Amino acid sequence: SAVISQKPSRDICQRGTSLTIQCQVDSQVTMMFWYRQQPGQSLTLIATANQGSEATYESGFVIDKFPISRPNLTFSTLTVSNMSPEDSSIYLCSGHRGQSEAFFGQGTRLTVV
Amino acid sequence: KNEVEQSPQNLTAQEGEFITINCSYSVGISALHWLQQHPGGGIVSLFMLSSGKKKHGRLIATINIQEKHSSLHITASHPRDSAVYICAVEAGSARQLTFGSGTQLTVLP
Repeated sequence: SAVISQKPSRDICQRGTSLTIQCQVDSQVTMMFWYRQQPGQSLTLIATANQGSEATYESGFVIDKFPISRPNLTFSTLTVSNMSPEDSSIYLCSGHRGQSEAFFGQGTRLTVV
Repeated sequence: KNEVEQSPQNLTAQEGEFITINCSYSVGISALHWLQQHPGGGIVSLFMLSSGKKKHGRLIATINIQEKHSSLHITASHPRDSAVYICAVEAGSARQLTFGSGTQLTVLP
């Protein structure tokens, strides 16, 4: 299984600021996924990121709030913009390689104060 | 109604007990995943199933496609098995996952 290095692992941010989360994969993956897990909730897909094209966002998530970059097949970033306390969650990146199992980053635990 | 339903929501067991976690889904799927999430938030993939049964160490996962149901079994449970276990399904060609709400397992020594 591939390995994703995700950082930061946690952060406490001020309301109104932005945070960029990075995921580096140790091998090339076609699609990467960004998920959010709000406290006590299950994971929800934010967007799917393909290299060289704009990310595809799920209902309820918009590019202005969660801009995503995917400059190559091993790297992606998610920015949480203009943060409010409601954005406090765990954010995870994920990918598949071929038909294999999914693999996940370690997660970023974000607290907005 | 959630597309993926897990039960139980919480489970406490004594060390050595046999544990079963259930997952039902309502859509056609291409694969089902069992995942383990530790308190820090990181997620580890345990199994990916599209039919039948898989075994890895003390863990066994089964799926019944006709009944849209899967189970995760842990034999001879141990306190280090304490974690949240999550069922997730793939239903689209892009392979994004839809997650169940998770089962918090606590194994007492």
